[in-house]
Amino acid sequence: GQQLNQSPQSMFIQEGEDVSMNCTSSSIFNTWLWYKQDPGEGPVLLIALYKAGELTSNGRLTAQFGITRKDSFLNISASIPSDVGIYFCAGQLWSKLTFGKGITLSVRP
Amino acid sequence: GAGVSQSPRYKVAKRGQDVALRCDPISGHVSLFWYQQALGQGPEFLTYFQNEAQLDKSGLPSDRFFAERPEGSVSTLKIQRTQQEDSAVYLCASSLGTGDYGYTFGSGTRLTVV
Repeated sequence: GQQLNQSPQSMFIQEGEDVSMNCTSSSIFNTWLWYKQDPGEGPVLLIALYKAGELTSNGRLTAQFGITRKDSFLNISASIPSDVGIYFCAGQLWSKLTFGKGITLSVRP
Repeated sequence: GAGVSQSPRYKVAKRGQDVALRCDPISGHVSLFWYQQALGQGPEFLTYFQNEAQLDKSGLPSDRFFAERPEGSVSTLKIQRTQQEDSAVYLCASSLGTGDYGYTFGSGTRLTVV
């Protein structure tokens, strides 16, 4: 099935650094969401974006819904060890979510 | 309950066996979703219920997959004659309304077909 484009597959950063992740699609979505998944758990919603151009923050997380409605980015500032995990973007149209393949984030202390 | 509960957490099935995976959504949540997550991939949509009505089953990979939610709460995903390619984590999610996007996912059932 269709998946959104997230790259690279893995990112390695130093504790305290900022990191930015991108997500692109060939299709338009009405809503963009960012999830984090820890091993053995389901995805947990971090941020939801509802309007093109919208910029939203949640603590150290900032995300933007692209003007074309085909892309989004997530920025994590001042990373800490518990930021380790897999980050998924997801686009929503009607009832279903379409996910990217995810980016595995590692944080070195 | 406090969260979406799925059982069993792990299931090993022999090829050809039928399996049933259970999802207990958050109490009062109208919408319920099933997703399939293969190793190293993002979740992929399988099916969507609004109360007891199955409104979208476009993601079910074959007619071996069947889902139901007869009383509008607990849901069961059944896979008949399992194949190795069915090995994946099956995630259930629920949301309070029909238009909001605050899905809560369960921890999933990891199905391994041997």
